[in-house]
Amino acid sequence: QVQLVQSGAEVKKPGASVKVSCKASGYNFISHAITWVRQAPGQGLEWLGYMSAYITKTTYAQKFQGRVSMTRDTSTSTAYMELTSLTSDDTAVYYCARPRGRMDVWGQGTTVIVSS
Amino acid sequence: DIVMIQSPDSLAVSLGERATINCKSSQSVFSSSDNKNYFAWYQHKPGQPPKSLISWASARESGVPDRFTGSGSGTDFTLTITSLQPEDVAVYYCQQHFDTPWTFGQGTKVEIK
Repeated sequence: QVQLVQSGAEVKKPGASVKVSCKASGYNFISHAITWVRQAPGQGLEWLGYMSAYITKTTYAQKFQGRVSMTRDTSTSTAYMELTSLTSDDTAVYYCARPRGRMDVWGQGTTVIVSS
Repeated sequence: DIVMIQSPDSLAVSLGERATINCKSSQSVFSSSDNKNYFAWYQHKPGQPPKSLISWASARESGVPDRFTGSGSGTDFTLTITSLQPEDVAVYYCQQHFDTPWTFGQGTKVEIK
């Protein structure tokens, strides 16, 4: 079946970077975009950006410009989201999702805790 | 950025009764080129990823019970749960994908009265 499986929880110190992976299966990975959304504790959903299909063009939310990088490895059908210069405000559950208009398939989420 | 505002922030409804959630966007998310509203509703339960309920403002996802109905166009949208069930307790989000940054409403928490 179509699914996205994300990497495990991470604990990072302020100023560090985190790289979350999202492995796709059950569909043609190359022909679909991947987007990333996060939810901080007690907060709503926040969109970070997406990587388009085929040409791997990226579009990032202004808030994360310069700190976020989205890449993918087509040989393993895996997408990656790296966030640098972490602060406690980046503590959140990070989700990857497949956008087909709406986000129709979601990863299980990866908890990232930023703490000294 | 397109701002999405949901109302109410929370509501408590008796089992079997109707729940109505509204979402208003700061600008139209309707595309005249393909006659579609670039708008979706999601259900989010604790410990789970969000689940898409409604796409293009009114198209129910496969497997979603028909008690969930999406309506509206342009800037004003509604999600109606016609007969609330215990498993419908969740936070519901609206989202626009008309323009980047894609934005979500702040969420509406639905509980049983």
